[in-house]
Amino acid sequence: EVQLVESGGGLVQTGRSLRLSCAGSGFTFEDYAMHWVRQPPGKGLEWVSSISWNSGSIEYADSVKGRFTISRDNAKNSLYLQMTSLRPEDTAFYFCIKDLRPLVGARFHSWGQGTLVTVSS
Amino acid sequence: QSVLTQPPSVSAAPGQKVTISCSGGSSNIGNNYVSWYQQLPGTAPKLLIHDNNQRPSGIPDRFSGSKSGTSATLAITGLQTGDEADYYCGTWDSRLSAGVFGGGTKLTVL
Repeated sequence: EVQLVESGGGLVQTGRSLRLSCAGSGFTFEDYAMHWVRQPPGKGLEWVSSISWNSGSIEYADSVKGRFTISRDNAKNSLYLQMTSLRPEDTAFYFCIKDLRPLVGARFHSWGQGTLVTVSS
Repeated sequence: QSVLTQPPSVSAAPGQKVTISCSGGSSNIGNNYVSWYQQLPGTAPKLLIHDNNQRPSGIPDRFSGSKSGTSATLAITGLQTGDEADYYCGTWDSRLSAGVFGGGTKLTVL
């Protein structure tokens, strides 16, 4: 069974940094692209970033480009999201997602339970 | 403002059929596969349909997807009260090089 467990969320002040982690299990982590999608409380889904199986292809939403960095460590079956210069509008549940394919696309197959990031002004 | 357009809400009686539309453009739905997600209250979204009309294992055949041009549709037959949820369409936008979602549709089973 695919399991994705996010950690690292919490309350942080505007302008500070936070690093999210996601531990994957139950599948061959290195075979799949991975993603971060966020959802402000009570609102819709927003794609944040994607990384291909070998980190050769990385994409970011314009809203986070230059501030967030996605990375993965296939040896540790882990996905990361380094978030800097945080803003109140970054407040959201952040979901770690496994793709159906190794290349970047938008087939969000398996979702973690999400971790809440709250940025106070 | 979402790149993909969905109706905010739909409703139907138990046992009936409902459809949810998702409208986009040539750079997203028109040239990429569409997925559909179900988000039950208080839970993470779950993939219902991928590649326009493919169901992952474990998803009942009451759920089906289709695509025509720059629009896609999710159909749910034999509605159950447990189907009450938010439904999102999503795809890749080749011009933006970004994942895009619809704003979500709240399904009420009357």
